[in-house]
Amino acid sequence: DTGVSQDPRHKITKRGQNVTFRCDPISEHNRLYWYRQTLGQGPEFLTYFQNEAQLEKSRLLSDRFSAERPKGSFSTLEIQRTEQGDSAMYLCASSPNRGPVYEQYFGPGTRLTVT
Amino acid sequence: AQSVTQPDIHITVSEGASLELRCNYSYGATPYLFWYVQSPGQGLQLLLKYFSGDTLVQGIKGFEAEFKRSQSSFNLRKPSVHWSDAAEYFCASGSGNTGKLIFGQGTTLQVKP
Repeated sequence: DTGVSQDPRHKITKRGQNVTFRCDPISEHNRLYWYRQTLGQGPEFLTYFQNEAQLEKSRLLSDRFSAERPKGSFSTLEIQRTEQGDSAMYLCASSPNRGPVYEQYFGPGTRLTVT
Repeated sequence: AQSVTQPDIHITVSEGASLELRCNYSYGATPYLFWYVQSPGQGLQLLLKYFSGDTLVQGIKGFEAEFKRSQSSFNLRKPSVHWSDAAEYFCASGSGNTGKLIFGQGTTLQVKP
């Protein structure tokens, strides 16, 4: 079991550019979550997938944000036309198929800096 | 709305001293409660969790937490802090059926030698 992995770990981009992050959950975890963490704050929920279905989206997830999990395995989070306010750590978590839905295992995160 | 509050933004303790980090939640029913630890630039590691049953829960790295419904609290404790415990600590509560976690603002722990 290699844990949740995220790629890239760091991304610096210029305002207005599009960025895409990838998350690979723990094998066979069918639940996958994205959170955003800004400096000095706790993580904030963005969206949740069960298999390939996106079942919940936060109001924080504006039209510029889109997340996919096409085959129910890895997931991508895309931000279009990035703004400086998008600078944050983007965390992915996965949860086992059985047991408490809240028992989530987090990846190392992708730190985005928008200049 | 459901919320989690960590009243202490920053705490400094001496190595070997005891530690208590405070967490208060607002939720009508019995909440699902968690403590996570985050080292600089890293993801979150689950320390312990409370779902039901015994109100004193044991976690990894020698941490424990006590659920007190009357005080809406879930404070994290450790009898003797080690320098490696310096990190940021987050309290969280589960919300809804999808497993969404609501996090507190976090408490930064500094350990003095």
